Amino acid sequence: GIQVEQSPPDLILQEGANSTLRCNFSDSVNNLQWFHQNPWGQLINLFYIPSGTKQNGRLSATTVATERYSLLYISSSQTTDSGVYFCAASPSGGSYIPTFGRGTSLIVHP
Amino acid sequence: EAQVTQNPRYLITVTGKKLTVTCSQNMNHEYMSWYRQDPGLGLRQIYYSMNVEVTDKGDVPEGYKVSRKEKRNFPLILESPSPNQTSLYFCASSLIQGSGYTFGSGTRLTVV
Repeated sequence: GIQVEQSPPDLILQEGANSTLRCNFSDSVNNLQWFHQNPWGQLINLFYIPSGTKQNGRLSATTVATERYSLLYISSSQTTDSGVYFCAASPSGGSYIPTFGRGTSLIVHP
Repeated sequence: EAQVTQNPRYLITVTGKKLTVTCSQNMNHEYMSWYRQDPGLGLRQIYYSMNVEVTDKGDVPEGYKVSRKEKRNFPLILESPSPNQTSLYFCASSLIQGSGYTFGSGTRLTVV
């Protein structure tokens, strides 16, 4: 099946810093999603982005499907951005089942 | 409010005692699925359903059952729970294949 790798595994930032999280996938995809799991365990869908670029406030995401990667940008980070960020990819031409990466754990210090 | 509702949020049970975790969505979504999340292993899919009466195994289906008798409900059944099923469980739904997931709030299950 499709392999999904995220980097870095851990990230510590000072409030106000910018960061880039990366998601590499091993096969062509028809679905790429980014999620944030907050410290209370809730999983929130950030972006559905099989290709192109989207922005939502301080967060934006870009997927370059031909190069098999996606990037999540966090600008002017806040303590509420802390948590784990997951990407999930579904392979083209197969079942819809999305495969999740292991996540990037982000801590933002005040 | 559009949401996926899971119950219970927390459950402690004993080995072998059948239990059901309920999942309901109010968004008329066709696709629903169950995941378990374990430290170091990430999120793994247990079962999924593409519509009423259509279910299929995910990556880790052993020890679980599901049913999809109505579009809005997708319960997860553990007929004979064992300690290795202690985990954090999530239900998710999406409108169609290829659209964004909405997750429930999670059920933390402990089997002693």
